[in-house]
Amino acid sequence: GDSVTQMEGPVTLSEEAFLTINCTYTATGYPSLFWYVQYPGEGLQLLLKATKADDKGSNKGFEATYRKETTSFHLEKGSVQVSDSAVYFCALRAKGAQKLVFGQGTRLTINP
Amino acid sequence: EPEVTQTPSHQVTQMGQEVILRCVPISNHLYFYWYRQILGQKVEFLVSFYNNEISEKSEIFDDQFSVERPDGSNFTLKIRSTKLEDSAMYFCALGRGNTDTQYFGPGTRLTVL
Repeated sequence: GDSVTQMEGPVTLSEEAFLTINCTYTATGYPSLFWYVQYPGEGLQLLLKATKADDKGSNKGFEATYRKETTSFHLEKGSVQVSDSAVYFCALRAKGAQKLVFGQGTRLTINP
Repeated sequence: EPEVTQTPSHQVTQMGQEVILRCVPISNHLYFYWYRQILGQKVEFLVSFYNNEISEKSEIFDDQFSVERPDGSNFTLKIRSTKLEDSAMYFCALGRGNTDTQYFGPGTRLTVL
């Protein structure tokens, strides 16, 4: 079945460091891909998405590019802030399906 | 981003009891979803609901679970006889179309003792 694999956490960085959180997927066809973020005590918020190959999703300085050839959707940010500390979830939705399939989540902590 | 509220924020219940979790969409949506996250595990899909019918469900969503939208506003998840392994965070999500972005509520933490 469809699945999403994220890099193991937790990830701890210093403020202004470069961030990469790896995400790879297995799916038939061409799914839509998503990054959700969960801040402490809150629900899941959509961070960005891409619906077809080579699309780049971006929001709040975060970017991710849909790479069909490597079945990846890695999340990047050039300069992280303390306020970026959260759990990040990569997810896919298969074409024609309604359910989201999530990765295990990556906890990110940014130290000042 | 549309607002979604869920009640209660935390529910503690005894094993074997029935619980009802509620999702209150602030804006108009047609597609409703429930997901759950057992502590330390992935967020898992339970069910999707459209036009007063279940449109898709997972193998987790067995006979002890049911969903409805009784008053055309609140969307509820009922667990008839809770088990210890039902302890999890339950998230409601909404979408305007069946392939539209899903927007999540803050979740209800269910603890079964």
